[in-house]
Amino acid sequence: DTAVSQTPKYLVTQMGNDKSIKCEQNLGHDTMYWYKQDSKKFLKIMFSYNNKELIINETVPNRFSPKSPDKAHLNLHINSLELGDSAVYFCASSQGVGPSYEQYFGPGTRLTVT
Amino acid sequence: AQSVTQLDSQVPVFEEAPVELRCNYSSSVSVYLFWYVQYPNQGLQLLLKYLSGSTLVKGINGFEAEFNKSQTSFHLRKPSVHISDTAEYFCAVSPAGGAQKLVFGQGTRLTINP
Repeated sequence: DTAVSQTPKYLVTQMGNDKSIKCEQNLGHDTMYWYKQDSKKFLKIMFSYNNKELIINETVPNRFSPKSPDKAHLNLHINSLELGDSAVYFCASSQGVGPSYEQYFGPGTRLTVT
Repeated sequence: AQSVTQLDSQVPVFEEAPVELRCNYSSSVSVYLFWYVQYPNQGLQLLLKYLSGSTLVKGINGFEAEFNKSQTSFHLRKPSVHISDTAEYFCAVSPAGGAQKLVFGQGTRLTINP
């Protein structure tokens, strides 16, 4: 069983479109995250949710909107896609919100904006 | 704010040779330190972490790291590498208080040659 899964694995779309990436974890964790990994492999946190509540919101354009319908899911919706949004997006989860917890990462979604 | 510098972007080594991947960090507050590994086309996986106590930390797959507070370093070592260790390695820090907020280094590509 996959612990943290993301769909789709690949997403190719045109500028200006709106798209969503879904993330599900079956680990019973309370905290979930979204990361962006750029073409140089630099990984940066975007959002963190704990028990469906937003606790970290980095300097991300408001075209990005995370939604957590329940503790096991954290989806990422992106409006008006731009070329610079092309990246690999990783979802992760951890048992708790504290800094010592291990994060479990999904396999990533490669988004290509043309 | 925290920052992490991985001093080598690529490290090629021969199989069964020892390896050290270097990581330095900067922070005005106490931090926890982590090493994550990313195998090709996969998400990240925790190798080891330093929270407190002994400065030598042992992780999975025979890796270990040493925390040096005076030099603000957390170098990763393995005495004998295998082909399967070929991957991208990321050093990360998180403030020791509050919610976990991982700040990653740029990554080091470890390539093992037969």
